[in-house]
Amino acid sequence: DAGVTQSPTHLIKTRGQQVTLRCSPISGHKSVSWYQQVLGQGPQFIFQYYEKEERGRGNFPDRFSARQFPNYSSELNVNALLLGDSALYLCASSLGSGSTDTQYFGPGTRLTVL
Amino acid sequence: AQTVTQSQPEMSVQEAETVTLSCTYDTSENNYYLFWYKQPPSRQMILVIRQEAYKQQNATENRFSVNFQKAAKSFSLKISDSQLGDTAMYFCAFMTGFSGGYNKLIFGAGTRLAVHP
Repeated sequence: DAGVTQSPTHLIKTRGQQVTLRCSPISGHKSVSWYQQVLGQGPQFIFQYYEKEERGRGNFPDRFSARQFPNYSSELNVNALLLGDSALYLCASSLGSGSTDTQYFGPGTRLTVL
Repeated sequence: AQTVTQSQPEMSVQEAETVTLSCTYDTSENNYYLFWYKQPPSRQMILVIRQEAYKQQNATENRFSVNFQKAAKSFSLKISDSQLGDTAMYFCAFMTGFSGGYNKLIFGAGTRLAVHP
């Protein structure tokens, strides 16, 4: 079975630009979560979507937005990029958004902002 | 605030030996879950083991086991018979958010484990 997939693998942008990252969850999973992992740190929670609705949001500015599509895939958008947005962006999928739902991660998208 | 602390930035172990990675966490909740994930150089975050806070029995997955001390808020990972493929960054994580209708993971800063031949 296919795991969580993310695209693109790597991305280079300049300050002020906008970027869209994509994630496809494991088949049958209805929830997608996004995390930002800055070099040398643990991942930080950005969003969780379940059944196309935002269920939770971390402490990130409004420049970060996301959506989930009817097929449960998801996009993360970041506007007005800053140097500090350079990070590995991880997508995780789970069956649902409940306490018993383990999150499984994709390989990540490495974003570099110059 | 809910936090996860991994006090060992780096550890090393010889192949076939046993190593223990430490993790402490802080929460006022009673219902939560704890995880260990590994992240090899390939970047893929891989689930190693999961522990439900309401279970007293420590979780075990093959060579991986945990020592869960709820009162002390401690959750260490023991790797037995270490293999070269165990070389990776190991993250301890705490799952919360259930009261808000979602679940999120709070991660520690990680422990870099090197297994030497």
